[in-house]
Parts: sequence; C-alpha cells; structure tokens
Amino acid sequence: DQQVKQNSPSLSVQEGRISILNCDYTNSMFDYFLWYKKYPAEGPTFLISISSIKDKNEDGRFTVFLNKSAKHLSLHIVPSQPGDSAVYFCAATTQGGSEKLVFGKGTKLTVNP
Amino acid sequence: DAGVIQSPRHEVTEMGQEVTLRCKPISGHNSLFWYRQTMMRGLELLIYFNNNVPIDDSGMPEDRFSAKMPNASFSTLKIQPSEPRDSAVYFCASIKGVLGYGYTFGSGTRLTVV
Repeated sequence: DQQVKQNSPSLSVQEGRISILNCDYTNSMFDYFLWYKKYPAEGPTFLISISSIKDKNEDGRFTVFLNKSAKHLSLHIVPSQPGDSAVYFCAATTQGGSEKLVFGKGTKLTVNP
Repeated sequence: DAGVIQSPRHEVTEMGQEVTLRCKPISGHNSLFWYRQTMMRGLELLIYFNNNVPIDDSGMPEDRFSAKMPNASFSTLKIQPSEPRDSAVYFCASIKGVLGYGYTFGSGTRLTVV
C-alpha cells in the first residue's frame, strides 16, 4: 500500500509554461512534505518543503501547495525551463517522529524548448 | 564538503554472489538511510541508522540483506546471496537530525545481478 502516490508517471510541457506536479497521501499523521528532483545517474536533491501548518511555500520559480483536507499537494514550476527536465519525487514524514521519509514513485517532467 | 559518497557506482555480479555496497555520510550528520529505487516500487527505505545504531530495518526485504554502521563515517549494505530481483539502484542518504532541508543523497550504486 502506497502511502504517497504520484499518479502521473510523466508530464510534458513547453518552455515558459507552468508545470504542475501532483501528489496524494493517505497517512493523516504526515505533517511535513518535501519535493526532490533527480537527474539521471545522480541522487535525488532537495528542492522545496512545506509544513502542515502552512498551505503554500514559495522559492523562486517553485511553489508547493498543500491541501490537508484533500491530502493533496502540488508543485508548481513557473516558468518551466528545459533544465527542469528531471524526475520529481514527493516525500512525506511525521515531524517529531523518526526522520524517515516515505517517497512516491516519481513523475518524469520533460520541458520542451 | 564532498557530499555523501557511495561506492561502487556500478556493480555487475552473478546470481549467488555476495555484494557489498559502501557509503560515507557527510561528516557531522548523525542519521544515515539506505534506499532502493526500482521502476515498480519507486524509492523504498530499507534501513536507517541514528548515531550508528539501527533504528528501523523493517524495509529490509529478507535475511539475505544486512547493513552495518561500525562508525559515524562508514556504512555497508550487504546482499548474500544476490538474486536477479535485487537489481536496482541503491542510494545512501544522510541528515543532521533536522529535516528542514531534507536528506543529502549519494549518487547511488546501480546493481545488476545476472
């Protein structure tokens, strides 16, 4: 049973447009969420996070939105650039508990020039 | 800061052989995690250590898998005997206890068991 789900294995967008990556979770104990970005032959790298006390967190072109009632979060990239082409993983954890992260399966984003 | 260092980057072995994957966490980080990435299951946690002590090994698939952390700067993940279904990319990650900036991952070891 997947506690963190990324239902879109892939997404393709045009350069300059918005990319929206979605993530759903089932465990209501999760209260901290992170997005990671992964290029081929490299390890995932931290991108942005959000605590459950917020519903939005912004960092430059990247914004994460959290809808706790729907157990849904999304990552918006505006404007999308070809260098954003990568696999994006959503992850969740419980603060104050163990430090372990539960990851989704990832969404491969392709930004076309 | 050299980051999390994993070795080897690639490993090809025959079924039944012992495989040892190595990880050097970032100095000062007190938690270390071993993850496995496959197409079917994505990134799944195998085991993690805090201050060199195994805290949760519930993700270790079976007794063929074992992990050690003899000191703060080194960890191994061993598979004995290896099987073709163990083929995957194995990642090591470390953190300094606070999740604000998440884990720092190594570049991974791509294991192929033939």
